[in-house]
Amino acid sequence: DQQVKQNSPSLSVQEGRISILNCDYTNSMFDYFLWYKKYPAEGPTFLISISSIKDKNEDGRFTVFLNKSAKHLSLHIVPSQPGDSAVYFCAASEPGGSQGNLIFGKGTKLSVKP
Amino acid sequence: KAGVTQTPRYLIKTRGQQVTLSCSPISGHRSVSWYQQTPGQGLQFLFEYFSETQRNKGNFPGRFSGRQFSNSRSEMNVSTLELGDSALYLCASSLVGGLNYGYTFGSGTRLTVV
Repeated sequence: DQQVKQNSPSLSVQEGRISILNCDYTNSMFDYFLWYKKYPAEGPTFLISISSIKDKNEDGRFTVFLNKSAKHLSLHIVPSQPGDSAVYFCAASEPGGSQGNLIFGKGTKLSVKP
Repeated sequence: KAGVTQTPRYLIKTRGQQVTLSCSPISGHRSVSWYQQTPGQGLQFLFEYFSETQRNKGNFPGRFSGRQFSNSRSEMNVSTLELGDSALYLCASSLVGGLNYGYTFGSGTRLTVV
């Protein structure tokens, strides 16, 4: 049973607009969430994270929102750029876990069109 | 500094054979994790090593094994290969592991079982 779900396999957005990538989880014990970006033929790159004690974390154009009651998090990219085109993975960790033992979603492929 | 190096980049094996994949972490990093990425299942955690000890293990059959050497280099082995083992195998390293430390991924080894 999948504990971290990214229900949209793909998303297409116009350059300059907002990209919103969504992620749902089922395990209420998860207390740390991360987003990774992956280009073809490269390994995933860490993007941004959020602890369950927060509901928002911002880093430049990237903002992650966490809604614990809905077991939902989202990644907002504003403004979107063509270089943001990649597969985005949402990941979660249980208390006492490490980044080396993460549960990943299946990814959402973002295409930003010029 | 050099990133995480995985060798070989591509590998084709026959069903029933065994395979060994290698990962050289970033210099000074002592924690190494392995993930399997497939289109159907996404990224799935295989195991994590720290100072030559397996610290965590994912839900994979015993055909999947790994080890870490004193220089932190790691290998993973898959015996009696099955068609379903075809995947991208990713290695990630970190200074000591834990959520406060970033994990850096290698570009992966693409294994094809025919």
